[in-house]
Amino acid sequence: EAQVTQNPRYLITVTGKKLTVTCSQNMNHEYMSWYRQDPGLGLRQIYYSMNVEVTDKGDVPEGYKVSRKEKRNFPLILESPSPNQTSLYFCASSLSRTPYNEQFFGPGTRLTVL
Amino acid sequence: AQKVTQAQTEISVVEKEDVTLDCVYETRDTTYYLFWYKQPPSGELVFLIRRNSFDEQNEISGRYSWNFQKSTSSFNFTITASQVVDSAVYFCALERSGAGSYQLTFGKGTKLSVIP
Repeated sequence: EAQVTQNPRYLITVTGKKLTVTCSQNMNHEYMSWYRQDPGLGLRQIYYSMNVEVTDKGDVPEGYKVSRKEKRNFPLILESPSPNQTSLYFCASSLSRTPYNEQFFGPGTRLTVL
Repeated sequence: AQKVTQAQTEISVVEKEDVTLDCVYETRDTTYYLFWYKQPPSGELVFLIRRNSFDEQNEISGRYSWNFQKSTSSFNFTITASQVVDSAVYFCALERSGAGSYQLTFGKGTKLSVIP
């Protein structure tokens, strides 16, 4: 089944403890992206990747890192999480980054930073 | 900078009523794409429609229809004969089309509650 998977789905952690949220897609998509969703703010893009080893900042990249060493994986790294990073995170992928290709979203990861 | 405004934060309707969700966008680009996504209570994001800036034809898909008006920078979404399963948060989004610019900007969403 074609899908985007994220792990973990739920995570509660403490301030400053490094964490990684994994994202994997099995559709051979070139483009992958991370978003965060906060009440009243909609979804905001954190980082995106056009292809392997190519990443770029979105609207709210501060406090996050990403890497794209393989086509299928695009992990989101929080080196020193803070409470303002408590949010619902979505990973997305598409065949390539033209608007002709819709983005497929993962199920979301709900992160709480205490 | 581009912007998407969904002025309706929450809407409640009684089942079988029609409902229109408003979306107004701002962009300086002449080529862009507009999207609607649905987020049901289970949390996933479901793609509903994509429309490019050169195609102002309205679209109908079952009970769903979309009205794109470039003159008013609006891309409104109407659900006819609403059902309880339509209860969700709906997001309108805008994407630029141009070299090196691939950001998808979402509105803040409209929460639709359909009451049986």
